[in-house]
Amino acid sequence: DAGITQSPRYKITETGRQVTLMCHQTWSHSYMFWYRQDLGHGLRLIYYSAAADITDKGEVPDGYVVSRSKTENFPLTLESATRSQTSVYFCASRTSSALHFGNGTRLTVT
Amino acid sequence: AQSVTQLDSQVPVFEEAPVELRCNYSSSVSVYLFWYVQYPNQGLQLLLKYLSGSTLVKGINGFEAEFNKSQTSFHLRKPSVHISDTAEYFCAVSSSGSSNTGKLIFGQGTTLQVKP
Repeated sequence: DAGITQSPRYKITETGRQVTLMCHQTWSHSYMFWYRQDLGHGLRLIYYSAAADITDKGEVPDGYVVSRSKTENFPLTLESATRSQTSVYFCASRTSSALHFGNGTRLTVT
Repeated sequence: AQSVTQLDSQVPVFEEAPVELRCNYSSSVSVYLFWYVQYPNQGLQLLLKYLSGSTLVKGINGFEAEFNKSQTSFHLRKPSVHISDTAEYFCAVSSSGSSNTGKLIFGQGTTLQVKP
């Protein structure tokens, strides 16, 4: 089925480890986004991408790295995970007028 | 810079009663406005959006919202709620116009609790 697929759905990692969250869309939308969701903060933008090889920082980019070598994939990497990065991460792509979200990855950093 | 304030963190309401979830925004440029709903352990689903035209916008599941530019508000309403409407609701804003990237600024969310 067409849509946005995020993997894994759940991930537990240790402080200091590198972890990559995957996002794949089947629509070939140009714009893609990564948000984190934390209680009391709603969703905050980490990074976004306008097209392959074009990325830009959002509101909370520190500690994260993104890449976009192909239009359909937009992985998010935590280079050295910290406990403050425990969160639910959502990937989204932009339709003509709104964002369509994946089901999220719940990341716990111990 | 843009910001969104959802005035209530939790709204308890009885089944079949009307409900209003309040949202105010701040922006120095013209905006698009959105309401999303999040059911437990799921992603966000678009309820409705205001891009232009009529200020009263109808969405899915019987929800509607009214854009009030002078009050910088975009309140969400439903005349009669169901148990299945229990969820987290998010108001969001983006810049309109040719430079629009589509990136959304979200409010903190409102938990709607529908009681039998």
